[in-house]
Amino acid sequence: NAGVTQTPKFQVLKTGQSMTLQCAQDMNHEYMSWYRQDPGMGLRLIHYSVGAGITDQGEVPNGYNVSRSTTEDFPLRLLSAAPSQTSVYFCASGGGTYSGNTIYFGEGSWLTVV
Amino acid sequence: QKEVEQDPGPLSVPEGAIVSLNCTYSNSAFQYFMWYRQYSRKGPELLMYTYSSGNKEDGRFTAQVDKSSKYISLFIRDSQPSDSATYLCAMIQNSGGSNYKLTFGKGTLLTVNP
Repeated sequence: NAGVTQTPKFQVLKTGQSMTLQCAQDMNHEYMSWYRQDPGMGLRLIHYSVGAGITDQGEVPNGYNVSRSTTEDFPLRLLSAAPSQTSVYFCASGGGTYSGNTIYFGEGSWLTVV
Repeated sequence: QKEVEQDPGPLSVPEGAIVSLNCTYSNSAFQYFMWYRQYSRKGPELLMYTYSSGNKEDGRFTAQVDKSSKYISLFIRDSQPSDSATYLCAMIQNSGGSNYKLTFGKGTLLTVNP
């Protein structure tokens, strides 16, 4: 999964706290996105971006905020953490002339909200 | 009905067996079809990528797409213990531009026993 870097890898939050999951890619991809993966639910799209300054909601956007100020970075903000947000979060990027429709994933961020 | 259906398994086979993994979908606008492999506690890794109907082979892996039946398959020949992972099918409805939103199946857990 070289090229898409996520931090932190593990995080424990208390209910009501806020935090930001960082995602960076060095492949000059136009498209970046955040997914969450839960047992029995598969990967679900939270938010995505088709370029700097452009973001849109996915399937499960509530409780999350994103911005895209640069091509490289796409942080995911949890505004007021809830136990239902305990999950594994994956950042993905892709697109562009040389990538076709290939989407690359980061290694994941494990988040526990207590 | 979910847009993409995938049998979650688990599927357990002996080493050397031929493995068949399948997904069905309901949205006829899907044009690009992928298979991802995900090892435990890792991010999804792209295995195969196909466009429209037909077969694509890469080593021991063959991806097959039948758009008329809305059915895709991944075949693994001479399966190895290192193939033990969760396999995710994914699809893109690319209407142009830079939107590469993936819709995933829930994944099939495969174990190859030595």
